Amino acid sequence: AQKITQTQPGMFVQEKEAVTLDCTYDTSDPSYGLFWYKQPSSGEMIFLIYQGSYDQQNATEGRYSLNFQKARKSANLVISASQLGDSAMYFCAMREGRYSGGGADGLTFGKGTHLIIQP
Amino acid sequence: EPEVTQTPSHQVTQMGQEVILRCVPISNHLYFYWYRQILGQKVEFLVSFYNNEISEKSEIFDDQFSVERPDGSNFTLKIRSTKLEDSAMYFCASQVKGGTYYGYTFGSGTRLTVV
Repeated sequence: AQKITQTQPGMFVQEKEAVTLDCTYDTSDPSYGLFWYKQPSSGEMIFLIYQGSYDQQNATEGRYSLNFQKARKSANLVISASQLGDSAMYFCAMREGRYSGGGADGLTFGKGTHLIIQP
Repeated sequence: EPEVTQTPSHQVTQMGQEVILRCVPISNHLYFYWYRQILGQKVEFLVSFYNNEISEKSEIFDDQFSVERPDGSNFTLKIRSTKLEDSAMYFCASQVKGGTYYGYTFGSGTRLTVV
């Protein structure tokens, strides 16, 4: 089973509209972290936002917010007031806390959503 | 803002040749990673490194791959005998501490093309 599922391979959105990118995850670990990264056409991975499994409130970073629904195991990224520069691939990722005492597990990524903002 | 630096940005190599991809993690970070992204596909974890040894590796990280932190600042990924299917973007990442609650900073990647 996929640990991270992003069901939208591509999305077209009008500039200035809000965008929701879907992400569902699968883990039996009570301690985990969820991440969103942006990858523009230039290729680099840009960190956007983080949500911990024990965080009581949804994470927000500027125009980015994370709609965290723990019971549904979903962590959707919301971009408010989209801009042309938001056009990119967006990846949801998870790190599980099997070594929450300080180990070094890697991130598991979803397949990504290609977001295109239209003027 | 501190950065993870990767060199070169693009490398072309002949099949069967050895390549070394280099990374300079953020100086106070303790955990280091390599990831791979084949063109158009998702990012895949290769290996994590802590305290001068491998902490965890994925199935992709077979005997053709090795990692090293030779001098306390560089972190390298070596592919001994490259295959066509090793063509990918390789990302280095570092983390100040382990655990789920600390962010990963990625480098800009090295695009490896095996011909």
